[in-house]
Amino acid sequence: ETGVTQTPRHLVMGMTNKKSLKCEQHLGHNAMYWYKQSAKKPLELMFVYSLEERVENNSVPSRFSPECPNSSHLFLHLHTLQPEDSALYLCASSQDLGAGVYNSPLHFGNGTRLTVT
Amino acid sequence: QQQVKQSPQSLIVQKGGISIINCAYENTAFDYFPWYQQFPGKGPALLIAIRPDVSEKKEGRFTISFNKSAKQFSLHIMDSQPGDSATYFCAASIGGATNKLIFGTGTLLAVQP
Repeated sequence: ETGVTQTPRHLVMGMTNKKSLKCEQHLGHNAMYWYKQSAKKPLELMFVYSLEERVENNSVPSRFSPECPNSSHLFLHLHTLQPEDSALYLCASSQDLGAGVYNSPLHFGNGTRLTVT
Repeated sequence: QQQVKQSPQSLIVQKGGISIINCAYENTAFDYFPWYQQFPGKGPALLIAIRPDVSEKKEGRFTISFNKSAKQFSLHIMDSQPGDSATYFCAASIGGATNKLIFGTGTLLAVQP
């Protein structure tokens, strides 16, 4: 397995459910990211981890809870979501956060398509 | 100030034609401008990028044209092929910061055979 792998590919959950999205990168990178992709909107950066430390939380509601147990794995725990949270959630990684995007470009996974009913 | 405005929202081009996607920005502190390509069911992938010290960068059939004074940059796909059909996103960054990458809203390109 190479690159950035996200599971599950599709997830349907009710507003009272608790679920988790998983991301695993096999690139030896030190920085990992969660993005939200909604139709006709720019990609929204949600969380950034560098060497397992959270370095950014872009005013994301507390119903989204990230976890980075090691530099290869990233989780997004979901609870009591709203229908407007339905979107494609993308995980990405880069070599080092401080190296800059031109030296350390983002590598995206294929995303989890989340539908909240 | 932090937005990157992308147009058109969708584009249909005949095979062999030129596809042109435009982006505009306001923040003159942006200093790195990448384009990402996203196929259905896949994540975005870096296609080509430019810094403002050059006006054009070419990689194969893909060219970025950059107009610093107009605060605009565009992606040109020469000899467009059906395999180029995808969504294209422009982006901009300050200081090349990965966590400060601002994306456009995307352009859905369909190349008809």
